[in-house]
Amino acid sequence: EDQVTQSPEALRLQEGESSSLNCSYTVSGLRGLFWYRQDPGKGPEFLFTLYSAGEEKEKERLKATLTKKESFLHITAPKPEDSATYLCAVQANSGYALNFGKGTSLLVTP
Amino acid sequence: DTAVSQTPKYLVTQMGNDKSIKCEQNLGHDTMYWYKQDSKKFLKIMFSYNNKELIINETVPNRFSPKSPDKAHLNLHINSLELGDSAVYFCASSQSSGNTQYFGPGTRLTVL
Repeated sequence: EDQVTQSPEALRLQEGESSSLNCSYTVSGLRGLFWYRQDPGKGPEFLFTLYSAGEEKEKERLKATLTKKESFLHITAPKPEDSATYLCAVQANSGYALNFGKGTSLLVTP
Repeated sequence: DTAVSQTPKYLVTQMGNDKSIKCEQNLGHDTMYWYKQDSKKFLKIMFSYNNKELIINETVPNRFSPKSPDKAHLNLHINSLELGDSAVYFCASSQSSGNTQYFGPGTRLTVL
């Protein structure tokens, strides 16, 4: 059965303090690994898709990386507006559904 | 220019009632989904339709019935609502499988 575990559950950073969020996964044939951002009261907002080990993608202060067992979301010099819940999900070759982790709740303080 | 929209945004109802949630996407996608997010914020797939055909039907009580009148719409009807149905329901769409799923704003259902 596909499994996605995100850590830490919650993270508090000072503005400018870089850190990484982890997403460990097991899946029978990875089609893609997805990162979403979710603000309170809103739907998940797409950030990145990674398809194969070694792949990296960047957007502003965020960089996502992928290995065969885990993905990291690196946040460089975060700002308060980066505060949100970050969700990781995997999609298996066999299906359409996204299997989500429980998310990391990030708070960036000024 | 809303991509995936849902109505209503909030739904408060009594136990035992029947209610529907509507979803529409204007992205031209051929696949739509319903996800449930529980009180612990865990998102779980419920159903998926591809070109109006049901392709995912997870272990969900048969009080939940999805309906896709066309590729741009996917509705969720819930019969005999129970307290445990309280959650946020998200609609999403994608162009076939393996592609990015775009989510709607969610419908917060509260069953009293």
